[in-house]
Amino acid sequence: GAGVSQSPSNKVTEKGKDVELRCDPISGHTALYWYRQRLGQGLEFLIYFQGNSAPDKSGLPSDRFSAERTGESVSTLTIQRTQQEDSAVYLCASSPNLWLGGTSYGYTFGSGTRLTVV
Amino acid sequence: AQSVTQLDSQVPVFEEAPVELRCNYSSSVSVYLFWYVQYPNQGLQLLLKYLSGSTLVKGINGFEAEFNKSQTSFHLRKPSVHISDTAEYFCAVSESRGGSNYKLTFGKGTLLTVNP
Repeated sequence: GAGVSQSPSNKVTEKGKDVELRCDPISGHTALYWYRQRLGQGLEFLIYFQGNSAPDKSGLPSDRFSAERTGESVSTLTIQRTQQEDSAVYLCASSPNLWLGGTSYGYTFGSGTRLTVV
Repeated sequence: AQSVTQLDSQVPVFEEAPVELRCNYSSSVSVYLFWYVQYPNQGLQLLLKYLSGSTLVKGINGFEAEFNKSQTSFHLRKPSVHISDTAEYFCAVSESRGGSNYKLTFGKGTLLTVNP
């Protein structure tokens, strides 16, 4: 697609429920990232996928968080048993093949999913 | 590991005035540096980046930034701002090589408010 697409744009859920967030990267972008943006905070790295390599999950805050990506396509971020502290904007970004130059390409971000846990 | 400090959480200015948004970073290795802008309810958009070479980098919308290695700074400037520049600005850093050169570390952001 022309840009990084995220859905839903807004999600309100009750504490304790599971939620699934979706990211559709730019076609041909092999690298995909999830970041979390809490109110008044910077962006917090969650997870990174690069093609078929093992993902870097070092930023996932707890085992309630998981993410999947099949090949170079759509990714889903799942949060189980949501807590109020999970309320944030979840941003997805994609980038061309990083083996060609690391972050020198920069990232292209989606518009985010605003998650509110009540 | 890298870190980024944006010294001002909010910067109010009048239209057509100059502005400087400050960013300092910490890293034990050579770095790439970025500025992103986030308009309300939108994702982040790349303004400019420093990879190597000339320390003065020009970006979109008339913004520029200067890399100062000795002061570990990458301040963003614009000589004359417009109302439409009102947004949140994020400074980010990554390793330029090595095993973690895919990961961007962001500052907490500076909210630029341009008043008429």
